[in-house]
Amino acid sequence: QVQLVQSGAEVKKPGSSVKVSCKTSGGSFGGYSLTWVRQAPGRGLEWMGGVVPALGTTNYAQTFRGRVTITADESTTTVYLELSSLRSADTAVYYCARGTLVQGFVDSAGKSSYYYSMDIWGQGTSVTVSS
Amino acid sequence: QSVLTQPPSASGTPGQRVTISCSGSSSNIGNYYVYWYQQFPGTAPKLLIYKNDQRPSGVPDRFSGSQSGTSASLAISGLRSDDEADYYCAAWDDSLSGQWVFGGGTKLTVL
Repeated sequence: QVQLVQSGAEVKKPGSSVKVSCKTSGGSFGGYSLTWVRQAPGRGLEWMGGVVPALGTTNYAQTFRGRVTITADESTTTVYLELSSLRSADTAVYYCARGTLVQGFVDSAGKSSYYYSMDIWGQGTSVTVSS
Repeated sequence: QSVLTQPPSASGTPGQRVTISCSGSSSNIGNYYVYWYQQFPGTAPKLLIYKNDQRPSGVPDRFSGSQSGTSASLAISGLRSDDEADYYCAAWDDSLSGQWVFGGGTKLTVL
């Protein structure tokens, strides 16, 4: 059974950056996607973006564009989430999730692409932003 | 404010059947599959239903999903005390450049 193991808790100052890792068991990423979702204390789930390492493609939620970078290291089957310009509202538990291809779609600009599911989740990483 | 709308709470007694609704629009549920997740306090979400009505292996058939138009539902029959958890619906949304959107979550209480 595949497992996603995330890095430990972080405490950061406002304005700084954080980089969270998610290591997948198994030999390679395969054709899977790795997605990041966060959950602020007492709140719901919020999709941040994802990467399909085999295709080298990324997709980010509009809310986080310009502040978030998702990268993948094939040699260690580890995916990273980097979030910059941190503020108190970024205090949350950050989850990675692995998924498979679901179907194609056409976005509002008429561009065709594909989206992936979120099937298996990591244990979560707590990020606290406080001065 | 969440893109998908769920009731904040639901409840039932052991053995009962409860349903949780999830309402969206044509840019999400109306054209894309609905997924449901179960989350216990302090733990990661777990996939419960995928592609509207499919159960991953290991999920009891007491859990079922359905979708019609721009709405979806999760039904739990034979309610058990250990079903007490938060439940989230999710769907892809093709507005802007595309992204996953979630409901605000429904806290299920087993009385």
